[in-house]
Amino acid sequence: EAGVAQSPRYKIIEKRQSVAFWCNPISGHATLYWYQQILGQGPKLLIQFQNNGVVDDSQLPKDRFSAERLKGVDSTLKIQPAKLEDSAVYLCASSDRDTFEETQYFGPGTRLLVL
Amino acid sequence: AQSVTQLGSHVSVSEGALVLLRCNYSSSVPPYLFWYVQYPNQGLQLLLKYTTGATLVKGINGFEAEFKKSETSFHLTKPSAHMSDAAEYFCAVTISGGYNKLIFGAGTRLAVHP
Repeated sequence: EAGVAQSPRYKIIEKRQSVAFWCNPISGHATLYWYQQILGQGPKLLIQFQNNGVVDDSQLPKDRFSAERLKGVDSTLKIQPAKLEDSAVYLCASSDRDTFEETQYFGPGTRLLVL
Repeated sequence: AQSVTQLGSHVSVSEGALVLLRCNYSSSVPPYLFWYVQYPNQGLQLLLKYTTGATLVKGINGFEAEFKKSETSFHLTKPSAHMSDAAEYFCAVTISGGYNKLIFGAGTRLAVHP
C-alpha cells in the first residue's frame, strides 16, 4: 500500500513570496490533515478535511494560508505572502475515518525555509 | 483543554540500556494516547496507541507504554536500546467524543551511543 505522498520535499523562498505544497493521501482515506512543525516543537494542526469539507481550520492563519481538497482526494496548502516565521516542516497526514482512535499516517513532509 | 508534556527534550542512553521517555497529559475526559517516532527527514510513524482496555500497550520495535490514569502518564519504555532507535519521539493525545485532533508534545530526541 502506497503511503502519503508530498511534494516538493524542500523549498527555499524569500519573504513575501508565495509557495504551494501538494499532498496525496493514502487511497481511500477520507480524512486529510495539514500540520506545521517548527524546529524544536511538535506538529501543530493547521487544517483538517473530511472528504472535501473543512472540519477544523481554527489554527490556520487565514490571512496568508489557504488550503483546498478538491474532489476529496489530494490537497494543496498555499502560503501567500510568506513570512520568516513560516519556516518549518509541513506535514500531511491521512486517516481512514474521522474517529478519535483512528491512526493518522504521515507523509515525509515539505521543509520550507523562508529567507 | 488537552495538553501533553514530555519531560526531557534530549535523552541519551548506551546501547543495551533501558529506554524511558516520559509523557504526561492533561485532559478533562478520558484520553486516547499515542506515541509516534520520527527519523531524520522522514514523517511520523506510529509506535503504539492506547484507546481502551489493557493499560499496558505493546508497539513496534520492542517498545511499550503504560497508561496510568492516577498519574496522568503514558511513559514509553524499551528494555534494551539499539542504535537504530536514535530518533525523535512524540507523545500525542486526542479525546473521545470529538473528531480526530491530535495534540502533540514537544518531542524527545533519543541518542544511543555505543
